[in-house]
Amino acid sequence: QKEVEQNSGPLSVPEGAIASLNCTYSDRGSQSFFWYRQYSGKSPELIMSIYSNGDKEDGRFTAQLNKASQYVSLLIRDSQPSDSATYLCAPSGNTGKLIFGQGTTLQVKP
Amino acid sequence: DGGITQSPKYLFRKEGQNVTLSCEQNLNHDAMYWYRQDPGQGLRLIYYSQIVNDFQKGDIAEGYSVSREKKESFPLTVTSAQKNPTAFYLCASSAYGTVSGNTIYFGEGSWLTVV
Repeated sequence: QKEVEQNSGPLSVPEGAIASLNCTYSDRGSQSFFWYRQYSGKSPELIMSIYSNGDKEDGRFTAQLNKASQYVSLLIRDSQPSDSATYLCAPSGNTGKLIFGQGTTLQVKP
Repeated sequence: DGGITQSPKYLFRKEGQNVTLSCEQNLNHDAMYWYRQDPGQGLRLIYYSQIVNDFQKGDIAEGYSVSREKKESFPLTVTSAQKNPTAFYLCASSAYGTVSGNTIYFGEGSWLTVV
């Protein structure tokens, strides 16, 4: 079992729709969870972090965490073509290192 | 401006050569990291350092070496033992030590190509 699993996609949604990105992780000791966005050929940039079970909203983005199910997700409302990128899930393990998933490629079609 | 500076942005390596990628941060972060990314793949950890003069191997350390003589600097050497070094290399740093401090921030990356 991979430490962090994400559907590689591509996930294609029409402009204005909600995009739902999912991630499961194996380390039950993970305390912090991060979502990064990476445009092709660029370095990842932090979108959101979440530490507690439940939802956390920031603008058009909502992160959801369920530690019992070892599941974290990212919802993007009112998706825009500029949201087209690869989204990386990264739980922080017991040692504090971030372990990255392979990423989900999102395509938002005008 | 605070941030992480990687250089060079593009680098070409001949067979059998060692090359060094520079990474400097002025964020006063304790921890620094090197990741490798192959096309269409996720990030794999090469080495990380949580304090000066100490570092640990990540998942793919073979063929690489690092040093951490100063808090702000964490250079990566790609040695001739690394047989397939062509990749995008990312340096990152974090405050470390607290849950929220585990957030890592990335430099702009360095592209290494073997010619």
